[in-house]
Amino acid sequence: QVQLVQSGAELRKPGTSVKVSCKTSGYTFTGSEIHWVRQAAGHGLEWMGWMNPNSGNTGYAYKFQGRVTMTRDTSINTAYMELDSLRFEDTAIYYCTRSGSRSFGPWGQGTQVTVSS
Amino acid sequence: SYELTQPPSVSVSPGQTATITCSGRKLGEKYACWYQQRPGQSPMVVIYEDNKRPPGIPGRFSGSNSGDTATLTISGTQATDEADYYCQAWDSTTKVFGGGTRLTVL
Repeated sequence: QVQLVQSGAELRKPGTSVKVSCKTSGYTFTGSEIHWVRQAAGHGLEWMGWMNPNSGNTGYAYKFQGRVTMTRDTSINTAYMELDSLRFEDTAIYYCTRSGSRSFGPWGQGTQVTVSS
Repeated sequence: SYELTQPPSVSVSPGQTATITCSGRKLGEKYACWYQQRPGQSPMVVIYEDNKRPPGIPGRFSGSNSGDTATLTISGTQATDEADYYCQAWDSTTKVFGGGTRLTVL
């Protein structure tokens, strides 16, 4: 079955960066876009951007442009999301998900990123 | 930027019909989908392309989208349906989420 398995929780200081991985299985990795969504505690879902694993093309939500980079390694069917210049308000659960039929699914289990001094 | 508005909370009695709305400018000209998120879990799509149910989603879940409003309807609501529900507008450039609605089954 289709699975997306993310890397473990991260603790970072303000101003540093974090890189989260999303290992996929059960489908052709290059056949579907990977999107990243985050959720701060007690808050809603926030779309961050997308990556085409086949071409490497990306598109980022305006809010994250200049601070986020989405990449992939097709040899291991894994997508990455790197967020720079971390702020306290970047503390959230970060999800990767696959797009298809004009919706997202399935989703990874989420990666807690905590920004604390 | 495009925005979607949902009621923060909806309450329903078991067996009754729950209706959750999602409002956005000309939302009916885009596709709408709905996600269910139980506490501590990742979201899961329950309706896509306005009114389609993925395999495994019970038939009591239905959706519609017209004008400025998309609607998720849960008929014969069960206790297991208690969760947060998020709408999403989908077109070539828009993937925005609504703020979410907490469904409480009393």
